[in-house]
Amino acid sequence: DSGVTQTPKHLITATGQRVTLRCSPRSGDLSVYWYQQSLDQGLQFLIQYYNGEERAKGNILERFSAQQFPDLHSELNLSSLELGDSALYFCASSLQGASGNTIYFGEGSWLTVV
Amino acid sequence: AQKVTQAQTEISVVEKEDVTLDCVYETRDTTYYLFWYKQPPSGELVFLIRRNSFDEQNEISGRYSWNFQKSTSSFNFTITASQVVDSAVYFCALSNQGAQKLVFGQGTRLTINP
Repeated sequence: DSGVTQTPKHLITATGQRVTLRCSPRSGDLSVYWYQQSLDQGLQFLIQYYNGEERAKGNILERFSAQQFPDLHSELNLSSLELGDSALYFCASSLQGASGNTIYFGEGSWLTVV
Repeated sequence: AQKVTQAQTEISVVEKEDVTLDCVYETRDTTYYLFWYKQPPSGELVFLIRRNSFDEQNEISGRYSWNFQKSTSSFNFTITASQVVDSAVYFCALSNQGAQKLVFGQGTRLTINP
């Protein structure tokens, strides 16, 4: 158990809908990351937050947004969903936002868009 | 640009055999960090090891060992006396100084047959 908690674990929704994925980082970790794992793209970095502020952005679509709250939990919002958004979405956390910190991953949220 | 290559897409061995998973990376930075993660069939990403670019000392943890060679830009992972529970997808990843995001290889699916 990494200590990173993600909900829901599984989610099935229809195209065009909006979903929110939730993440609680490990106790004491200030930085949160979101990654997407799909069959064709592999593991892709989406976005990073550090202590409530956006730190880095990766291949995140404009239909997706995220935020980190004062209690350090984070949410990833996915809107106008398409079939291609079906993937495993990981949240991860690290102590600081500095490079080299070990990044611990949650169990992921399986999203299926039908 | 950063890149991680895991040329072995799938490996299948019989239990108790030794197996080595290859990882080759590309980066222009002199300071960087290398990681290995394990993804069992249940889907979570489990952290295995982190290595700094300035520390080429090999590491052994039980049946697991890692060989880091800067001269060949490789960070290979060996499992000695493999067990069925080692069956998983293994990912090698890279992060550079100043950029916390991880760049993942495509993963190697390891199957240990009884």
